[in-house]
Amino acid sequence: GEDVEQSLFLSVREGDSSVINCTYTDSSSTYLYWYKQEPGAGLQLLTYIFSNMDMKQDQRLTVLLNKKDKHLSLRIADTQTGDSAIYFCAESEPGYSTLTFGKGTMLLVSP
Amino acid sequence: DAGVTQSPTHLIKTRGQQVTLRCSPKSGHDTVSWYQQALGQGPQFIFQYYEEEERQRGNFPDRFSGHQFPNYSSELNVNALLLGDSALYLCASSPGNEYEQYFGPGTRLTVT
Repeated sequence: GEDVEQSLFLSVREGDSSVINCTYTDSSSTYLYWYKQEPGAGLQLLTYIFSNMDMKQDQRLTVLLNKKDKHLSLRIADTQTGDSAIYFCAESEPGYSTLTFGKGTMLLVSP
Repeated sequence: DAGVTQSPTHLIKTRGQQVTLRCSPKSGHDTVSWYQQALGQGPQFIFQYYEEEERQRGNFPDRFSGHQFPNYSSELNVNALLLGDSALYLCASSPGNEYEQYFGPGTRLTVT
């Protein structure tokens, strides 16, 4: 079955770049996603990448996909204290819009 | 444009009881998915509704059932509640089989 793995915690200083990593096992994954969850809230879709792409950039966010190694990363440039949250990596299979999530990475940004 | 809305926000039930959670999808979205998020975990897919029918189902027992109405809103029902059903229940909507899913704020269910 599908499995998505993430490191559990990342701590950075304000203004630094953050890189959150994710590995997945399903080679047939169609889309890979990054969601953000703030305390007590639902999930906010940050960005997603189609599996035939290597990179996607959206303002401060850069997503890199290494399909050979089944590795996905999210880089946040100029990280702010408001970026402190849990970040989830997720994948979907071809023909299905349902998502398989990792356990999330808690990002703590200190001033 | 209202996003995905869910009710109630919080709910406390006793073991063995039944609960109904509600979701209104984002305007223009006809597909609703439900996820369960236990504390410290990522969301787990329960099921998905499209055109008032269950289209896909995750690895959840039959105690979990759902419904979708003609206006695309949806309900999640859980019977014979167990302590382990305590979680944040998230609803997500998307247009058709599009891959962008938008989540509501969730319903926090506590089973005592």
